[in-house]
Amino acid sequence: AQTVTQSQPEMSVQEAETVTLSCTYDTSESNYYLFWYKQPPSRQMILVIRQEAYKQQNATENRFSVNFQKAAKSFSLKISDSQLGDTAMYFCAFMKLNSGGGADGLTFGKGTHLIIQP
Amino acid sequence: NAGVMQNPRHLVRRRGQEARLRCSPMKGHSHVYWYRQLPEEGLKFMVYLQKENIIDESGMPKERFSAEFPKEGPSILRIQQVVRGDSAAYFCASSPPPGNEQYFGPGTRLTVT
Repeated sequence: AQTVTQSQPEMSVQEAETVTLSCTYDTSESNYYLFWYKQPPSRQMILVIRQEAYKQQNATENRFSVNFQKAAKSFSLKISDSQLGDTAMYFCAFMKLNSGGGADGLTFGKGTHLIIQP
Repeated sequence: NAGVMQNPRHLVRRRGQEARLRCSPMKGHSHVYWYRQLPEEGLKFMVYLQKENIIDESGMPKERFSAEFPKEGPSILRIQQVVRGDSAAYFCASSPPPGNEQYFGPGTRLTVT
């Protein structure tokens, strides 16, 4: 079974600063995806970024980027030029791919509550 | 393209009643996942379905909970004889062929009184 650990229950930064959220995971699988999801107060789960384990290049989506260290099983999220709208819970998630072409359900961490201060 | 739809958004049930939660996946998506989120926690996987098939129900309690995804119509998560501990937000996600992102619905908040 996989586990995902987010060691920062809450973080607070000033608007326009850069912030990094940490995530580590434990698995014996070699074929998997990693995700960061954002959950604002509306509780809607919004996909922020995705990383395929077989790719060495770190994923980037506008102000969001990841630092994927496969050997260390680490998958941190960096948010540059943070904005008030970035205030939300952020969840790291693991998805195992099956040999038959399917995928297991996501395994989530407990989340980090990110607060962007004006 | 409409997103994943869930209804109702809020559901209140008394202990012992049945709760039925519905999920309509995005157009073209044939894979549905259900998750439960307890207060102050992350989401926990419950069940993974394809049309007319349960693929993985390893996260679903053995009793009182069932799920289906018929050939026509939405996926249904059914909770029989609800108890206070069932109070949570239940999220549905859909995907095209697995291996891609899962797109989440807005969730159904179940309150058991």
